Amino acid sequence: AQRVTQPEKLLSVFKGAPVELKCNYSYSGSPELFWYVQYSRQRLQLLLRHISRESIKGFTADLNKGETSFHLKKPFAQEEDSAMYYCALSDDTDKLIFGTGTRLQVFP
Amino acid sequence: ETGVTQSPTHLIKTRGQQVTLRCSSQSGHNTVSWYQQALGQGPQFIFQYYREEENGRGNFPPRFSGLQFPNYSSELNVNALELDDSALYLCASSGDPSGYRTDTQYFGPGTRLTVL
Repeated sequence: AQRVTQPEKLLSVFKGAPVELKCNYSYSGSPELFWYVQYSRQRLQLLLRHISRESIKGFTADLNKGETSFHLKKPFAQEEDSAMYYCALSDDTDKLIFGTGTRLQVFP
Repeated sequence: ETGVTQSPTHLIKTRGQQVTLRCSSQSGHNTVSWYQQALGQGPQFIFQYYREEENGRGNFPPRFSGLQFPNYSSELNVNALELDDSALYLCASSGDPSGYRTDTQYFGPGTRLTVL
């Protein structure tokens, strides 16, 4: 079955500390992986997708097919990074399968 | 460019009633997907509409139905409401679905449905 697992409900760090939000998936084919973010009182929005290989707002994510992971990383967290982060997988029908989300809190 | 809009913002219904939620897609988009987000959970795919036809459905019962109109706006209808239907309902629009890559889905602000 297709599934996305985000093991941490809450991740708290201090400003300037490195951040890693974990995401593991199960999918038999070649998935497309995404990270979506929801800032306070804003709508869900795409942060990055693995095929773009971009760094957005200092965040990167590498697809590791051997470990079926797509962890989101940032070397130096900022207070404005505080938000809810969702990892998502797209199958070949274009539907998105989301994890349960990780709330990132960055303290000053 | 106009973003995805949803109406109403909030809705309170009682068990057994029917509800219709509405979504206007972002200009230039012809695909609308609906998701249900229960408290503390990630969004769960309900179904997708492409050019007025259902183009995929998640694990939801038939009392969840939808429509897409020629202007690509969409409705989600839920009959015989149950308490567990209380959730945030999200609509997302995107371009043509394809087997090669997934178009970015742009989400609306959601409709908060409470079933008493």
